Amino acid sequence: DAGITQSPRHKVTETGTPVTLRCHQTENHRYMYWYRQDPGHGLRLIHYSYGVKDTDKGEVSDGYSVSRSKTEDFLLTLESATSSQTSVYFCAITKGQGGNSPLHFGNGTRLTVT
Amino acid sequence: QKEVEQNSGPLSVPEGAIASLNCTYSDRGSQSFFWYRQYSGKSPELIMFIYSNGDKEDGRFTAQLNKASQYVSLLIRDSQPSDSATYLCAVNIPRDSNYQLIWGAGTKLIIKP
Repeated sequence: DAGITQSPRHKVTETGTPVTLRCHQTENHRYMYWYRQDPGHGLRLIHYSYGVKDTDKGEVSDGYSVSRSKTEDFLLTLESATSSQTSVYFCAITKGQGGNSPLHFGNGTRLTVT
Repeated sequence: QKEVEQNSGPLSVPEGAIASLNCTYSDRGSQSFFWYRQYSGKSPELIMFIYSNGDKEDGRFTAQLNKASQYVSLLIRDSQPSDSATYLCAVNIPRDSNYQLIWGAGTKLIIKP
């Protein structure tokens, strides 16, 4: 257990509404990541963070923003949710310096946009 | 061609047999390779990682890396019904001056009692 908590676990929202997902870690790791997982696709990186207020885009960042004001919290915001953002979202950390270190995942948030 | 490819399965294996899961990748510069197990409705959990050519063993699991042929395999000996899950392969692929972790879509493994 890497001490990662995601909230909410499930969310149903309407198209066009803003949504924020939270990832909280208890072990003070520097690197945090947001992924989405869809059937037929591998996990895809949305955004990642390498420190407080230090974030960067992943391969599927359009329509998403992130913030990291504290080491322990990494927030993912869908500014105006669309049906294509219906997915399972995973937060992850690495215990090393990113790069070649393995990822450890939170329990996920299942988001449905109607 | 996808950068990381796995057979989607399902791969059906009798209990007690060896399950062999394969993953191929496109970039010869890839440095690190990971296997994760994911039960339905759960998050991926790390099984093994391997950086060097050859075999790496951990209990019933063996990861095999062949950089010349650009594949990495996971062998599960004495397969148990609890091994039934989707197995994800992830590869660190060079991108610009850094690396990016690219995931396969996973292979569904079914262990038949």
